[in-house]
Amino acid sequence: EVQLLESGGGLVQPGESLRLSCAASGFTFSSYDMSWVRQAPGKGLEWVSSFSGGGDGAHYADPLKGRFTISRDNSKNTMYLQMNSLRVEDTAAYYCAKPKYCDRSGCSGGFDRWGQGTLVTVSP
Amino acid sequence: QSVLTQPPSVSGAPGQRVTISCTGSRSNIGAGYDVHWYQQLPGTAPKLLIYANNFRPSGVPDRFSGSKSGTSASLAITGLQAGDEADYYCQSFDSSLSGSVFGGGTKLTVL
Repeated sequence: EVQLLESGGGLVQPGESLRLSCAASGFTFSSYDMSWVRQAPGKGLEWVSSFSGGGDGAHYADPLKGRFTISRDNSKNTMYLQMNSLRVEDTAAYYCAKPKYCDRSGCSGGFDRWGQGTLVTVSP
Repeated sequence: QSVLTQPPSVSGAPGQRVTISCTGSRSNIGAGYDVHWYQQLPGTAPKLLIYANNFRPSGVPDRFSGSKSGTSASLAITGLQAGDEADYYCQSFDSSLSGSVFGGGTKLTVL
């Protein structure tokens, strides 16, 4: 069974840093691009970042470039999101998400598995 | 301001049919990228409802269907049930942003 388990969220002050983790199981982790999606309280879904399965390509939502860094350790089946210079507006539940299909030509089919989310609260 | 535009809310009586629109542009839906739909019940993670415009994952009832045309897509729900009350999101890929984009979400109320 595919499982995604996020951790690392918490309460921090503006300007501080956090590192989120997403531990994956039940599928060949290295074969899938993985993504972070966040949801501010009472708001919609916002794509944050994606990292290719082979570890050779990272993409970020434009507003987050320079502050957030995505990485993965395929030997540990784990993806990370390093968040620096956190702002109040970064307060959200952060989900890791797996695409439905991935092959040599890329990934498709939407995100068919999501973690339960980890809450990040940035408050003075 | 979301890249994909959805109505904030829709409603319908039990048994009725509702549709939720998702309007994009030439850099996402209009460029031929697939549209996916998610259902999010309160307090839970999103669930993939429709993928690749009109395919249902295993376990999703055929009351849910998707379509796509031009720069827009739609989700249709027939035979509305109380359990369908949720937020619904569309998602695609945007070539100018080099990443996934979501609609702002639509809250479905079953009257």
